[in-house]
Amino acid sequence: DGGITQSPKYLFRKEGQNVTLSCEQNLNHDAMYWYRQDPGQGLRLIYYSQIVNDFQKGDIAEGYSVSREKKESFPLTVTSAQKNPTAFYLCASSFQGAGANVLTFGAGSRLTVL
Amino acid sequence: GENVEQHPSTLSVQEGDSAVIKCTYSDSASNYFPWYKQELGKGPQLIIDIRSNVGEKKDQRIAVTLNKTAKHFSLHITETQPEDSAVYFCAASKSFQKLVFGTGTRLLVSP
Repeated sequence: DGGITQSPKYLFRKEGQNVTLSCEQNLNHDAMYWYRQDPGQGLRLIYYSQIVNDFQKGDIAEGYSVSREKKESFPLTVTSAQKNPTAFYLCASSFQGAGANVLTFGAGSRLTVL
Repeated sequence: GENVEQHPSTLSVQEGDSAVIKCTYSDSASNYFPWYKQELGKGPQLIIDIRSNVGEKKDQRIAVTLNKTAKHFSLHITETQPEDSAVYFCAASKSFQKLVFGTGTRLLVSP
C-alpha cells in the first residue's frame, strides 16, 4: 500500500542535542512538507520541498534543517537552536501543479525534550 | 498572506445530533477549501473538500458549504457517532499554492 512512513513515533531528547526525524513516501509525490503541531495552534509549516535537491523555508523554519536528496525521502533535523522543540511533527506529501494542495499525511512523530 | 480562523475550538454533542464547524478566510483569491480529520495519535486525513465554483458538497453524513461573498465555509456532520470524535482542521489555498490551516476543532460525541 502506498503511504507516508514517519519514524520514530516517539523520541526523547536532552537539551542541546540534535535529532533527525525520518519521512519516507512511496506515493510518487513530487512535493514534501514538514508541519509542527502544538495544542491550539493548528498546523504550522516548517519546510517544504517541491523537487529533489531544493527546499524552501516555511513559517517557522528557525532551528530546523532539512535535505531532499531523494524523491522519496525528506528528513527533518531539529537542532539545538530550536528553543521549544517539544511538539508533534507531521510529514506530508502531494503532487505538483494542480494537485499541490491535496496533502497526504504521515502518522506523526512526537518529540519530547527532557 | 492568507489567514484562516476556525470556530469553535471545542464542540461537544450527543450522539445523533448535528455538528457544525465554521471557518473564515481572508484572501478572496483562495479557491480550494479542504477539511481534515485527525484521530488521536494519528496524522490528519482528508475527509471532504470544495472548490470555489460550487456552493455545497455532500458525502453521506458530512457536507461542506461555501459562501464566497462572506469568505466563510462550514463543515456539517449529521447523525453524529462516537467515531466522529476527533480534531477537525479546515484549510484554504489558491491554485498551486500551499494550504493554510485553521487552528482546529476538537469534536467530542458522547453516547
